[in-house]
Amino acid sequence: EIVLTQSPDFQSVTPKEKVTITCRASQSIGSSLHWYQQKPDQSPKLLIKYASQSISGVPSRFSGSGSGTDFTLTINSLEAEDAAAYYCHQSSSLPITFGQGTRLEIK
Amino acid sequence: QVQLVESGGGVVQPGRSLRLSCAASGLTFSSYGMHWVRQAPGKGLEWVAVISYDGSNKDYADSVKGRFTISRDNSKNTLYLQMNSLRAEDTAVYYCAKGSGSYYGGWFDPWGQGTLVTVSS
Repeated sequence: EIVLTQSPDFQSVTPKEKVTITCRASQSIGSSLHWYQQKPDQSPKLLIKYASQSISGVPSRFSGSGSGTDFTLTINSLEAEDAAAYYCHQSSSLPITFGQGTRLEIK
Repeated sequence: QVQLVESGGGVVQPGRSLRLSCAASGLTFSSYGMHWVRQAPGKGLEWVAVISYDGSNKDYADSVKGRFTISRDNSKNTLYLQMNSLRAEDTAVYYCAKGSGSYYGGWFDPWGQGTLVTVSS
């Protein structure tokens, strides 16, 4: 099983700040890594597919990078509406796995 | 637009069974792999099961293998999860999610709104 480890688990940030969330895989997964945002009491929403590919309708301040075992989700100029939990997900091999999540709090 | 609507959740005693459904609309349902993902209260996302576009391939998380069965009816655009021998640790919101490929590869989009399963005596 491929283990995904996200860091940090929690971050308190101010609006307009730049945020970086990392996701490390226990073995190489190429670019088969996707990012989701989940706001309180809502379903997860796709943010980035295949490590760095943008999604229509997702604000351009969200971007992704990485390949192999190390991946990054970057949020430029954070907005209050970005308060949420963020999860990475690998689709390289079964079983499918998710990172443990990173919760962002807006100060 | 693509919509997934789960149903069938509720309160059930340990050891009993429950069947969840996920009705899909706005897509060619029979072309895509479909997944169940769950989220225990206050916890992260846990993948549960996947079924290929035609139902010929399935896989499960170890935590549910032998107890849960995923299936689909492409004529009804509906995904199912039969859950037997339920345990307290199965308590969670269960989401169905559309895969981007024909089996397990790719991203999940969209997700349903979720249905809550509570296992308690």
